[in-house]
Amino acid sequence: GAVVSQHPSWVICKSGTSVKIECRSLDFQATTMFWYRQFPKQSLMLMATSNEGSKATYEQGVEKDKFLINHASLTLSTLTVTSAHPEDSSFYICSARPQGRYNEQFFGPGTRLTVL
Amino acid sequence: KNEVEQSPQNLTAQEGEFITINCSYSVGISALHWLQQHPGGGIVSLFMLSSGKKKHGRLIATINIQEKHSSLHITASHPRDSAVYICAVRSQGGSEKLVFGKGTKLTVNP
Repeated sequence: GAVVSQHPSWVICKSGTSVKIECRSLDFQATTMFWYRQFPKQSLMLMATSNEGSKATYEQGVEKDKFLINHASLTLSTLTVTSAHPEDSSFYICSARPQGRYNEQFFGPGTRLTVL
Repeated sequence: KNEVEQSPQNLTAQEGEFITINCSYSVGISALHWLQQHPGGGIVSLFMLSSGKKKHGRLIATINIQEKHSSLHITASHPRDSAVYICAVRSQGGSEKLVFGKGTKLTVNP
């Protein structure tokens, strides 16, 4: 149980295009999902926290207009990187907190974004 | 100083050896996570601890709340255990954010 999937697992796009990444909790409902970014040889950095049905809370320094987050259902959150640039190339990881299980987070497998 | 410190940063072992990875933190916590990240990036949640000890197969995780310290042990290590092991803590006080250590890169040689 407690499986989180991400789609796609990798994506290559041209500079200026937008890319959508999906995060799904497959066998549980997640009131809260988290989006992280990881640059090579660095630890995960929290980008934003999204709660189902409400606006995401972004960490300091993360542009909300560039990284659009939608958490429209209890099993799906999406991150859209708008007008992507090469510096947005990174590994994006989501995690999901099961409803009622406040301390737990289950991580997705990640999405590797390469912007040419 | 990082809120979460892991040691060692890098660890090389021979197959079969007993492995210990340490995590110290400086804040009061409500939970501590041990995560495994394989080359290629995918993260697997190994344990979530708030007290005591947990065991799953060859993996054992312990936490000492008073000393603000946790250890991850791997018994009878195997090359497939080679990965980065990450400690992350959730602070007390309501925030859901995890604070991550920098990870310990483990290489187990056959």
